[in-house]
Amino acid sequence: EPEVTQTPSHQVTQMGQEVILRCVPISNHLYFYWYRQILGQKVEFLVSFYNNEISEKSEIFDDQFSVERPDGSNFTLKIRSTKLEDSAMYFCASSAQEGPNEKLFFGSGTQLSVL
Amino acid sequence: QKEVEQNSGPLSVPEGAIASLNCTYSDRVSQSFFWYRQYSGKSPELIMSIYSNGDKEDGRFTAQLNKASQYVSLLIRDSQPSDSATYLCAVYGGSQGNLIFGKGTKLSVKP
Repeated sequence: EPEVTQTPSHQVTQMGQEVILRCVPISNHLYFYWYRQILGQKVEFLVSFYNNEISEKSEIFDDQFSVERPDGSNFTLKIRSTKLEDSAMYFCASSAQEGPNEKLFFGSGTQLSVL
Repeated sequence: QKEVEQNSGPLSVPEGAIASLNCTYSDRVSQSFFWYRQYSGKSPELIMSIYSNGDKEDGRFTAQLNKASQYVSLLIRDSQPSDSATYLCAVYGGSQGNLIFGKGTKLSVKP
C-alpha cells in the first residue's frame, strides 16, 4: 500500500532554533495536513493545505508555523523559533479527495524534542 | 468547542473475548466518525469509518453509531494480543481534514 513518508524520525533542537519537518505525501493525493501529538495527549489538527494554499488552520498554528510545498513531492512544516512546548510527535497526512468521508493516510511521524 | 471523550482505560480483556470501546462527542451535527488504532510511538491507523446510525461490520470489528445519543462504539471480537494498542475515536470537525480526536482508550489483550 502506498504510504506517507516523513523525515527525520527524530529531531532534537535548542529552544529558539528553526526546524523544518519534511513529508512526502502519497503521489496522487491532493490534500495535505499536519497534526501533532504531545506525549500522553490527544492528536491535534494543525493545518490543511490544498492547491498551494492553507485551507484551514487551528488556533495552535500561529505565526511561528508555516507550511510549504516546495516542489511536486515534498510538503514541509517550519517552526520558526521553537519553544519547549513545541516538543511533540508531528504527523503529516494526505488524502486523495476532500470531504468528510475521505480517508486520511498518516505518516510515521517526526518526534521533535526542544531542549 | 467540539469535544470527543473516551475512557482512557486501560481496558484489559482475555484473548478471544469481545472488547468494547466507547466514545461520545459534543457536536450534535457531526456526520462522520472514525476509529483509529495507534501502537505506542506509531502513527494512527484507520480501522473503521461510520456515517449512518446503526452497525457496520468489517471482519472482527464492528462500529456502532447512535447520533441521538451522540455515541460511537467499537467492538472487537475474538480479541488477539496483537490488538493491544490505543484506540482513538475521531469525529470530522467540519472543515477539510480537520479530525477531532479523543484521547484514546488503551486496550490490553492478555494471552
